[in-house]
Amino acid sequence: EVQLVESGGGLVQPGGSLRLSCAASGFTFSSYWMHWVRQAPGKGLIWVSRINSDGSHISYADSVKGRFTISRDNAKNTLYLQMNSLRAEDTAVYYCVRDLIAAASSYWGQGTLVTVSS
Amino acid sequence: QSALTQPASVSGSPGQSITISCTGTSSDVGGYNYVSWYQQHPGKAPKLMIYDVSNRPSGVSNRFSGSKSGNTASLTISGLQAEDEGDYYCSSYTSSSTVVFGGGTKVTVL
Repeated sequence: EVQLVESGGGLVQPGGSLRLSCAASGFTFSSYWMHWVRQAPGKGLIWVSRINSDGSHISYADSVKGRFTISRDNAKNTLYLQMNSLRAEDTAVYYCVRDLIAAASSYWGQGTLVTVSS
Repeated sequence: QSALTQPASVSGSPGQSITISCTGTSSDVGGYNYVSWYQQHPGKAPKLMIYDVSNRPSGVSNRFSGSKSGNTASLTISGLQAEDEGDYYCSSYTSSSTVVFGGGTKVTVL
């Protein structure tokens, strides 16, 4: 069974940093593109970033480019999102996602809440 | 990276059909057959309902169907049921190698 478990969320002050992790199991992690998607309270889904299977291809939404860094450790079956210079508008539930493009299945974690507030 | 445009809400009576539109540009919806639709219930993670414009994942009811014309994709729910209530989002791959979601549509069963 595919499982994605996010962790690392919490309360952080504006300008601060946080690193999210996503532990993957139940599939060959090193074979898949992975994504981060966020959802502010009561708002819609926003795509944040994606990384290919070996980490050589990465893309970001304009709203986080230069502040967030996606990475992965295939030996640990873990996806990361390093978030720097956090702003109030980054407050959201962050989901780790396998398969968002051209896939007959899509797996989402339960999400981790990031709150940016003083 | 502007969000795809969806109606804020759509409603229908049980048994009726409803259609949700998703309008983008030639750089996303119109340029690729990589449009997906997701259903989300409160407090839950999204669930894939349609992928690659018109394909249904295993286990998704055939009451859900998708199509595309030009820069606009559509999701049709036929034989509307109470459990279909929720939020629906479209998504598309883009020419910038990114993904863009629609703003979401709240479906209400009257």
